[in-house]
Amino acid sequence: EAGVTQSPRYAVLQEGQAVSFWCDPISGHDTLYWYQQPRDQGPQLLVYFRDEAVIDNSQLPSDRFSAVRPKGTNSTLKIQSAKQGDTATYLCASSFQGDTEVFFGKGTRLTVV
Amino acid sequence: GDSVTQTEGQVTVSESKSLIINCTYSATSIGYPNLFWYVRYPGEGLQLLLKVITAGQKGSSRGFEATYNKEATSFHLQKASVQESDSAVYYCALSNTGYQNFYFGKGTSLTVIP
Repeated sequence: EAGVTQSPRYAVLQEGQAVSFWCDPISGHDTLYWYQQPRDQGPQLLVYFRDEAVIDNSQLPSDRFSAVRPKGTNSTLKIQSAKQGDTATYLCASSFQGDTEVFFGKGTRLTVV
Repeated sequence: GDSVTQTEGQVTVSESKSLIINCTYSATSIGYPNLFWYVRYPGEGLQLLLKVITAGQKGSSRGFEATYNKEATSFHLQKASVQESDSAVYYCALSNTGYQNFYFGKGTSLTVIP
């Protein structure tokens, strides 16, 4: 069974540039999460979906970050006008509703200079 | 708020020695949190090591154990005899019953030396 797939694995941007991250969850998983993990910190939830619906995006900086999951499968996280403070690893994870195990991708490491 | 505090930074242990990584939690908005240890091996994604969803119970996997101590609000990770292959970053985490969000500690980087 394929795991959670993310791309790209790495990205380097200058401040003010935009970037998109893509996530393909495990087939059949209805719940998809995006986490931000700054260096030397634990992952912190940005947004999560159940099917195509956003369930909680309260931690997503809405002025520059957006996330979609239009068909309830793949998802895209976009950062408009990146800042140095956005430097972090962005993790995608998926699970089946009610299941105790959440599966993580390898992440996209973003550096904003 | 809800949070997790664990042994921070790097821990170095000689092979075959015992290990304990401390984890305490605060769950002010979650009445009965579920507790987890996740691990990230070099080059891999985060993966579940063990979980316990009932206070007083012990979880175990790959020789690691952790007991959900509600009175002490702790979930320490222990192993009696570590191996080089255990070298990884370990994260303690808690979630609510619906697994809607995980609160992670900052991670503990374990290096096992031969």
